[in-house]
Amino acid sequence: NAGVTQTPKFRVLKTGQSMTLLCAQDMNHEYMYWYRQDPGMGLRLIHYSVGEGTTAKGEVPDGYNVSRLKKQNFLLGLESAAPSQTSVYFCASRRPSGGLNTEAFFGQGTRLTVV
Amino acid sequence: ELKVEQNPLFLSMQEGKNYTIYCNYSTTSDRLYWYRQDPGKSLESLFVLLSNGAVKQEGRLMASLDTKARLSTLHITAAVHDLSATYFCAGPLSVDMRFGAGTRLTVKP
Repeated sequence: NAGVTQTPKFRVLKTGQSMTLLCAQDMNHEYMYWYRQDPGMGLRLIHYSVGEGTTAKGEVPDGYNVSRLKKQNFLLGLESAAPSQTSVYFCASRRPSGGLNTEAFFGQGTRLTVV
Repeated sequence: ELKVEQNPLFLSMQEGKNYTIYCNYSTTSDRLYWYRQDPGKSLESLFVLLSNGAVKQEGRLMASLDTKARLSTLHITAAVHDLSATYFCAGPLSVDMRFGAGTRLTVKP
């Protein structure tokens, strides 16, 4: 019953460093999402994917890149981290709309601090 | 652009009282989601409202959907401390799922 697993759970980066956040789901979901959560701002969509090999921009894509080479994995990359990217990052997955059981399942979050 | 707005953003309640959280959205849809987040934790699904007039209840929480008004409500009955959390609505039905800013609920004795 792993569900959605995010790696790592915590990370501290220096400005200008790069890193990749990994999201893995074992529910065979088509759709996957990356959000960032900042105090008082709810969840803002960074990028999403509707299937293997596809990605699309969300509300706040600048400074991030993503890849979905395998259906079960969705990677979020920061090429040159900035302090403004300090946040909690959540990955989510769900079935396509139009059927039942389309709610999103979330990972436990990655707390990223850029100093 | 799809927008989801919740109000209030902060809610402090006395135990035993009733209150309603509102969620408005900007485009037509036939479903709406509610999630709960405890401090420092992830989000978990509470309700999926699938059609106009849908009503779902679990314990002291009841959610409803009016697609014509583009409005969903989350009603809290006789609040207890365990309901203290942040509640999010999300949707409408689209690929790029958007969330409201959340309502931080604090239930005081």
